[in-house]
Amino acid sequence: GNSVTQMEGPVTLSEEAFLTINCTYTATGYPSLFWYVQYPGEGLQLLLKATKADDKGSNKGFEATYRKETTSFHLEKGSVQVSDSAVYFCALDTDKLIFGTGTRLQVFP
Amino acid sequence: DAGVTQSPTHLIKTRGQQVTLRCSPKSGHDTVSWYQQALGQGPQFIFQYYEEEERQRGNFPDRFSGHQFPNYSSELNVNALLLGDSALYLCASRWGSQKPYGYTFGSGTRLTVV
Repeated sequence: GNSVTQMEGPVTLSEEAFLTINCTYTATGYPSLFWYVQYPGEGLQLLLKATKADDKGSNKGFEATYRKETTSFHLEKGSVQVSDSAVYFCALDTDKLIFGTGTRLQVFP
Repeated sequence: DAGVTQSPTHLIKTRGQQVTLRCSPKSGHDTVSWYQQALGQGPQFIFQYYEEEERQRGNFPDRFSGHQFPNYSSELNVNALLLGDSALYLCASRWGSQKPYGYTFGSGTRLTVV
């Protein structure tokens, strides 16, 4: 069946460090892929998306490329800030959203 | 332009009781989905409503039911509450016919069952 696997957290980084959060998926067809971010006590905010193979989604310095050959959609940011501390969810759309378990990012000054 | 609105924001119920959660979709959106997010987990799909009918359902018991009204707003009802139903319940809306879909989430209702 369709599923999303994310790297376990927490990911702990110093400010300005490089971030990678791994996400792989299993799906039939060509689903859209998403990264959502959740700040403490809040709902989900769309961070970025990609709708077809080789698409690169980007927003607020975050990027992810839809890699069909490796069924991956890894999230990257070149220089994280303390304000990026949150939980990040990878998701795929099969006419409903299927989420990974989330990866908590903690950025320290 | 208002996004997705959910009410109430917090709720405390006793085991065995029933609860109703409400969702108003983003303007222009006609499809509403509900998700359950347990603490420390990713959201799990409960069901989706379009044209006032349940179109898809996740792996949730019949205690979970819903409704969509002609103005596209939706309710989630949970009967015979269990402690395990304690979670953040998220509502998401989208425009049903235009792929790729753009989902908008509400801030959620935090349900605590004691």
